[in-house]
Amino acid sequence: QLQLQESGPGLVKPSETLSLLCTVSGDSISSVAYHWGWIRQPPGKGLEWIGSIYYSGSTKYNPSLKSRVTISVDTSKNQFSLKLNSVTAADTAVYFCARLSPYVKNDFWGQGTLVTVSS
Amino acid sequence: EIVLTQSPATLSLSPGERATLSCRASQSVDKYLAWFQQKPGQAPRLLIYDASNRATGIPARFSGSGSGTDFTLTISSLEPDDFGVYYCHQRDNWPYLTFGGGTKVEIK
Repeated sequence: QLQLQESGPGLVKPSETLSLLCTVSGDSISSVAYHWGWIRQPPGKGLEWIGSIYYSGSTKYNPSLKSRVTISVDTSKNQFSLKLNSVTAADTAVYFCARLSPYVKNDFWGQGTLVTVSS
Repeated sequence: EIVLTQSPATLSLSPGERATLSCRASQSVDKYLAWFQQKPGQAPRLLIYDASNRATGIPARFSGSGSGTDFTLTISSLEPDDFGVYYCHQRDNWPYLTFGGGTKVEIK
């Protein structure tokens, strides 16, 4: 059974780096069929795609976040990660990791983890 | 970047009524438009893909239409479980993804 589980600190100080890990079970992150991505949702607001990575390490980022985002993959551990630097309160959100396909019906999302940016 | 604009922002309806939600794209997304439903504390759930195809397990009261830049999600007769926030989402510019701002369907 496919599962994606986000993990990482729930509280990050302003100007520091937000780091999250997504652990995939039930599927191989080396699958040629999928990309692996991060999507966030500030409290009470809409969904924002952050970026995605292919097993080869090729990445695509939301232009609005590109200067602060790094997504990487560890195929040996079947995990991928998100780093967002220089965070502010505006980065407070639920962060979802997801398996993404060109065919949206094949997507699968994790349950999400809340990250709060506060001193 | 493809921008998706949803209207209205909020729809106040009673159970049994028909709901019509709109999504307009800033440029053509062909048929590659999906609709998601989200409840508080949950990940979004796929309802419709490729503009008009219901996802697995989605009831027939949900239907989607449109192509190019104008799309509609219709819920023929609202049930209590249908209240929540609905997002449209484009997959035409893969792997760059965008979502609409959402329409909240609330109980009148």
